[in-house]
Amino acid sequence: DTGVSQDPRHKITKRGQNVTFRCDPISEHNRLYWYRQTLGQGPEFLTYFQNEAQLEKSRLLSDRFSAERPKGSFSTLEIQRTEQGDSAMYLCASSLVGGKDIQYFGAGTRLSVL
Amino acid sequence: QQQVKQSPQSLIVQKGGISIINCAYENTAFDYFPWYQQFPGKGPALLIAIRPDVSEKKEGRFTISFNKSAKQFSLHIMDSQPGDSATYFCAGVGSQGNLIFGKGTKLSVKP
Repeated sequence: DTGVSQDPRHKITKRGQNVTFRCDPISEHNRLYWYRQTLGQGPEFLTYFQNEAQLEKSRLLSDRFSAERPKGSFSTLEIQRTEQGDSAMYLCASSLVGGKDIQYFGAGTRLSVL
Repeated sequence: QQQVKQSPQSLIVQKGGISIINCAYENTAFDYFPWYQQFPGKGPALLIAIRPDVSEKKEGRFTISFNKSAKQFSLHIMDSQPGDSATYFCAGVGSQGNLIFGKGTKLSVKP
């Protein structure tokens, strides 16, 4: 078990481009969360999945954001028409429902929109 | 609306000293209060956590004190070490299991 893996670690893009991030959770975990963290702030909840079902979205998740977890394993987060305000660290976490409620985080994908 | 308020924003402690970080929450539906530690370039990692039916939890040098009536909880790091230098986040767990984080405390432990 290698923990939560996120790819890429860094992404630099130009404003208006689309970007996609991937998260591979701990293999037996059935919940997967996405958070966004800006400099000097705590992570903010974006959305979460239980298995393949997306159960909640934050108001922070604008229409330009979409997340999927097609087979209840890995997840992708896509941002369309990126804006400079999207620059942040995007963190993925996974947990096991019925476990100790511990969310394990990946190292994140740092997005810079120029 | 910030549901978890954390202070101080930054903290400098001498090696061997006690580091104290405080948090206050608003949402009485929170039923789990973890503390996460984050090093630069890394994701947050769970340090210690407490449920509101317990007033104190200790794990090694780390202790959470919890005051349910005041809706406050704090992290105490005893015998602080330079390796403890990191950013610490308190959090409450929301209704869907999502974490509501404070803004973080950057701790520097001077040798």
